[in-house]
Amino acid sequence: DTVLTQSPALAVSPGERVTISCKASESVSTRMHWYQQKPGQQPKLLIYKASNLASGVPARFSGSGSGTDFTLTIDPVEADDTATYFCQQSWNGPRTFGGGTKLELK
Amino acid sequence: EVQLVESGGGLVQPGRSMKLSCAASGFTFSSFPMAWVRQAPTKGLEWVATISTSGGSTYYRDSVKGRFTISRDNAKSTLYLQMNSLRSEDTATYYCTRDPTTGIPHYFDYWGQGVMVTVSS
Repeated sequence: DTVLTQSPALAVSPGERVTISCKASESVSTRMHWYQQKPGQQPKLLIYKASNLASGVPARFSGSGSGTDFTLTIDPVEADDTATYFCQQSWNGPRTFGGGTKLELK
Repeated sequence: EVQLVESGGGLVQPGRSMKLSCAASGFTFSSFPMAWVRQAPTKGLEWVATISTSGGSTYYRDSVKGRFTISRDNAKSTLYLQMNSLRSEDTATYYCTRDPTTGIPHYFDYWGQGVMVTVSS
């Protein structure tokens, strides 16, 4: 299975720019998607196919990358962005998710 | 407004069965593949199974093949997950999700609130 590796946690101040990375163990082309999960809630789709903004998602969120290296950027970060962010691939075998990056606001 | 409402979870003993349901509304249910994704307590997300629009094609992760069955009733706009021979490692919150693409499973644009399944004696 394709393993997706994310940094466990990040802490940033409101107004700053933050990048969350996801590295795949093998190429996933551009079939990488990003979700936001706030405590006690279900995940929410943010970005699909590496760089496409999902419906209703603020333009502060953007995605980039191809192959094995992908990035989710939030610029500027707001207090409401406190959440865990997951990447997910749909190119190889069973659909797999990264372990999640917990974003905390200072 | 798209709504996905799961039901049927709870506590079940190892080796027993449980069936989850997901009532869909706010979109043409028969036009979208549907999937189940689970999340063990304080853990990450894990895709479980996907079903095509007609129900003619199904896809499963290896660890549930032969034990779980995904199905749908388009007339009732309802998705199901029949879980047999349950194991402690199946303990998780199960989310009903919609796949906005066709063909093989891709990603999930709407999620239900989730239903908890606890497998324990």
